[in-house]
Amino acid sequence: DAGVTQSPTHLIKTRGQQVTLRCSPKSGHDTVSWYQQALGQGPQFIFQYYEEEERQRGNFPDRFSGHQFPNYSSELNVNALLLGDSALYLCASTPTGVYTGELFFGEGSRLTVL
Amino acid sequence: DAKTTQPPSMDCAEGRAANLPCNHSTISGNEYVYWYRQIHSQGPQYIIHGLKNNETNEMASLIITEDRKSSTLILPHATLRDTAVYYCIVRVGAGTNFGNEKLTFGTGTRLTIIP
Repeated sequence: DAGVTQSPTHLIKTRGQQVTLRCSPKSGHDTVSWYQQALGQGPQFIFQYYEEEERQRGNFPDRFSGHQFPNYSSELNVNALLLGDSALYLCASTPTGVYTGELFFGEGSRLTVL
Repeated sequence: DAKTTQPPSMDCAEGRAANLPCNHSTISGNEYVYWYRQIHSQGPQYIIHGLKNNETNEMASLIITEDRKSSTLILPHATLRDTAVYYCIVRVGAGTNFGNEKLTFGTGTRLTIIP
């Protein structure tokens, strides 16, 4: 049973460019959340998708957008990249229904903006 | 969600019990205590959670004080693979549906297991 998978694992972009990160949730999970983790900090919640709609959003600008597909996979898009967007981007999935408190995280996509 | 306070770093000898403290003095009655850890270059991993009773699973034990204002995560026999950053998180928790997936992480405790 595959866990949460993310791609790409590493990527380098320049300021002003756009990036798309991808996430496949754990089998049986239909809710996907995205987190940003800057160096030396804990992960910060970006947003969450369920039934192809954004359900919750953290304190991130509109440059950060997402999408969820019918197969529950998800994308995170960041436009007009800034140096400060350099971070590890983590995807987490959970099943709908009774929530046990456990989020399943992927290994992350490390974005470097030059 | 209530704020948590953890020491920035701790060391523990291999084979000994690692006791990681967390203060959450503003915790509300319906908030749970969760622990996650993040091994270098990996995503966070769930360890354990509890409301007011002590909890134990195959990874760790969680001791919550009677007033619920603090807790301790115990790794009974620490190994080198337990070297990681440990996050204590307080939030409205398990059993309810939507909206529970958002976790507010602090900077955690960096635990180093010494051979």
